[in-house]
Amino acid sequence: QTVVTQEPSFSVSPGGTVTLTCGLNSGSVSTTNFPSWYQQTPGQAPRTLIYTTNTRSSGVPDRFSGSILGNKAALTITGAQADDESDYYCVLYMGSGIWVFGGGTKLTVL
Amino acid sequence: EVQLLESGGGVVQPGGSLRLSCAASGFTFRSNAMAWVRQAPGKGLEWVSKISGSDGRTSYADSVKGRFTVSRDNSKNTLYMQMNSLRVEDTAVYYCVQMSTGGRYFFASWGQGTLVTVSS
Repeated sequence: QTVVTQEPSFSVSPGGTVTLTCGLNSGSVSTTNFPSWYQQTPGQAPRTLIYTTNTRSSGVPDRFSGSILGNKAALTITGAQADDESDYYCVLYMGSGIWVFGGGTKLTVL
Repeated sequence: EVQLLESGGGVVQPGGSLRLSCAASGFTFRSNAMAWVRQAPGKGLEWVSKISGSDGRTSYADSVKGRFTVSRDNSKNTLYMQMNSLRVEDTAVYYCVQMSTGGRYFFASWGQGTLVTVSS
């Protein structure tokens, strides 16, 4: 069974930099998994942040960036702001029309 | 502007059925694959199903395969999810999602969701 792993929680100071990761329980994440990232605040629908590894969705500030770091996909927030405090989800395309979400990372800015 | 409006959620007993609908506007509906993603209370996102734009090819998560059926009516710009043999663990907010075009395999725009509660 494919499991996509994310840190359950992370904390960053205002103005600081944080990197959230997205891995696989077996194997490495690559660009062929088309990693994408979503931000969700309580009670709201998810918002698309990053797709195809490193492309920002329309209107997303450039302090958000995506990459492959080692064997994982990564979301980096540079110059974190208070309203970046949210849940962040990655999803990987596994082929054959199947997607798997990670469990999400709860980011605290304090 | 893309708009996705889900409806059909509600309370149903275990073993029961429900049909969700999603009315789409603001884009050429038949050009995009569509998906359903759900979120159980206090839990993370789970991809449920996807349907292609023109040829109607479908795929499902193992957790719903054989019980849920996704379909679409391109003449009505509407996406559907028929949910049968519902279980308590199917309780979730169900989001209708516009998928990207051009082989980029991501979830582009999201509806606000409809809550399905399976309880006796």
